[in-house]
Amino acid sequence: QITLKESGPTLVKPTQTLTLNCTVSGFSLSTSGVAVGWIRQPPGKALEWLALIYWDDDKRYSPSLRSRLTIAKDTSKNLVVLTMSNMDPGDTATYYCAHLPLVPGAASYDAFDIWGQGTMVTVSS
Amino acid sequence: EIVLTQSPDTLSVSLGEGATLSCRASQSVSITYLAWYQQKVGQAPRLLIYGGSRRAPGITDRFSGSGSGTDFTLTIARVEPDDSAVYYCQQYAHDGRTFGQGTKVEIK
Repeated sequence: QITLKESGPTLVKPTQTLTLNCTVSGFSLSTSGVAVGWIRQPPGKALEWLALIYWDDDKRYSPSLRSRLTIAKDTSKNLVVLTMSNMDPGDTATYYCAHLPLVPGAASYDAFDIWGQGTMVTVSS
Repeated sequence: EIVLTQSPDTLSVSLGEGATLSCRASQSVSITYLAWYQQKVGQAPRLLIYGGSRRAPGITDRFSGSGSGTDFTLTIARVEPDDSAVYYCQQYAHDGRTFGQGTKVEIK
């Protein structure tokens, strides 16, 4: 059974760097055809895709946030880490990580099929 | 960046009736890379449809997806109280992934 769980600070100050962890189980981050993404959702607003890391360590970022984001993985710890620099109150949101299967022909191909519960981050001084 | 515009913003549907949700893209999107999600209050999103028309495992056949090019549709047949949620479309293109702003489905 695949599960993901986000963790990190609930409160950060403006200009600080946010570091979020996504601990995964039920699959390996090095298995071919696997990716993990980060998505956020400000209170009462829509979902926004942030970043994606593939099994081969390839990475993709939202064009509008690229300069502030870094995604990385530690396969031995089953961990995907997202850092976002220069935090602003507008970055207040629930941050989700999600599993993305990329085996052609497999169920849920190239869609976020399993999501973590999310972690709420508030940016305030 | 491809922008997805969903309509309507809110859809009020009577129990047992059908619901049609629209997702329009600012540029052509391959149906292979169009997905729909359901999000209930206080919960993480749940994948309903991938590849434009393929139901995710465990999803009832009351949900169906269709479309091509820039216009895509999620249809809910015989609406039930449990279908009350916000529904998002999402696309993947070479420059990344974007979500629509969501359609809220209310059950009368």
